[in-house]
Amino acid sequence: EDKVVQSPLSLVVHEGDTVTLNCSYEVTNFRSLLWYKQEKKAPTFLFMLTSSGIEKKSGRLSSILDKKELFSILNITATQTGDSAVYLCALNTGTASKLTFGTGTRLQVTL
Amino acid sequence: GAGVSQSPSNKVTEKGKDVELRCDPISGHTALYWYRQSLGQGLEFLIYFQGNSAPDKSGLPSDRFSAERTGGSVSTLTIQRTQQEDSAVYLCASSFGFGGWTEAFFGQGTRLTVV
Repeated sequence: EDKVVQSPLSLVVHEGDTVTLNCSYEVTNFRSLLWYKQEKKAPTFLFMLTSSGIEKKSGRLSSILDKKELFSILNITATQTGDSAVYLCALNTGTASKLTFGTGTRLQVTL
Repeated sequence: GAGVSQSPSNKVTEKGKDVELRCDPISGHTALYWYRQSLGQGLEFLIYFQGNSAPDKSGLPSDRFSAERTGGSVSTLTIQRTQQEDSAVYLCASSFGFGGWTEAFFGQGTRLTVV
């Protein structure tokens, strides 16, 4: 059975801090790993990673994948209160290409 | 459309009633997913449609749940004889292409409350 484990489950930081969120996985037929940000109901897409060692970057957010050690990290630098959300990691696997989600990391950024 | 559209945004129903949730995916997207998210929990896969292929129904929790996708576009998730444990946010997502190489975009979800 495919597994996606995110850590930490929750995190509280001060504005300006840098955070690293982790996603480890055990899956068959890996195709891609995706990161989403969920503030209210709809998760919004952040990154899709398919190759090891290639950093994806968007503003203060960046992410990288290690297919040998089976994990990905999401970094957020100079955090802002607007970064407060649940960050979800998802794996696209198997012949059906369904997305398997982790339970997410709840990030709270305080002033 | 511009994004994935779901309706209704909120639904309160009495235990034992049937409900229908609708998802209108992004135009041209061939893949459509339904997920369920209970309060404080992760996303639970329900069903996946890809083009004209048989849907992957492996996540449907019971035979009270069913879904169809007409004409390869709009999808309806039906829950029969609703139970209180069905209360959750039901999220729909769509993506373009097959094979896991493209990202999925989510709708705003339907919050279902069974009383």
